[in-house]
Amino acid sequence: GQQVMQIPQYQHVQEGEDFTTYCNSSTTLSNIQWYKQRPGGHPVFLIQLVKSGEVKKQKRLTFQFGEAKKNSSLHITATQTTDVGTYFCAGHSGGYQKVTFGIGTKLQVIP
Amino acid sequence: DTAVSQTPKYLVTQMGNDKSIKCEQNLGHDTMYWYKQDSKKFLKIMFSYNNKELIINETVPNRFSPKSPDKAHLNLHINSLELGDSAVYFCASSQVQGRNEQFFGPGTRLTVL
Repeated sequence: GQQVMQIPQYQHVQEGEDFTTYCNSSTTLSNIQWYKQRPGGHPVFLIQLVKSGEVKKQKRLTFQFGEAKKNSSLHITATQTTDVGTYFCAGHSGGYQKVTFGIGTKLQVIP
Repeated sequence: DTAVSQTPKYLVTQMGNDKSIKCEQNLGHDTMYWYKQDSKKFLKIMFSYNNKELIINETVPNRFSPKSPDKAHLNLHINSLELGDSAVYFCASSQVQGRNEQFFGPGTRLTVL
């Protein structure tokens, strides 16, 4: 079955440092989504990538979708304490567009 | 107005009991989902319904039975609760299965004693 690997599982950074999380799928994806879950909260949609090689930016966040549509990354420039949370990628593929979430990367920002 | 709501927010119960979690979305979406998030924060899809029809049924014990009375509601009934069922259960909805963003409910924290 489809697997979506995500690394790292945990990341501690000093405020102001950059942060990147990576997702790798065992199958070609039709799209990939990114979500953020604050501590004690629920996942909140950030962005969806559909096209091969697509790059999208949201302020300090940069999202990339690989050329083969099997990997993706989220990069945060100059982290802030408000960036704390767990970042999940979610890959969609298959006839019923089954969604598989990565294990998540828990980001801790040290002020 | 809350887009996706779940009740109850917390549920503490004894092993062997039967319990239900309710979910409602007021977004007019066609697809609804149930996810289980364990203590390690791993988010796993359990079920997906599209217009009241079951689309995805992952390897979930038969003790879990979803019910969708209409496309705005997707309830989860759990029979004979076990310790391993303790987790946070999230309901979510999306416009179209797999092609649009999912809106998650606030979650129901289930603790089985």
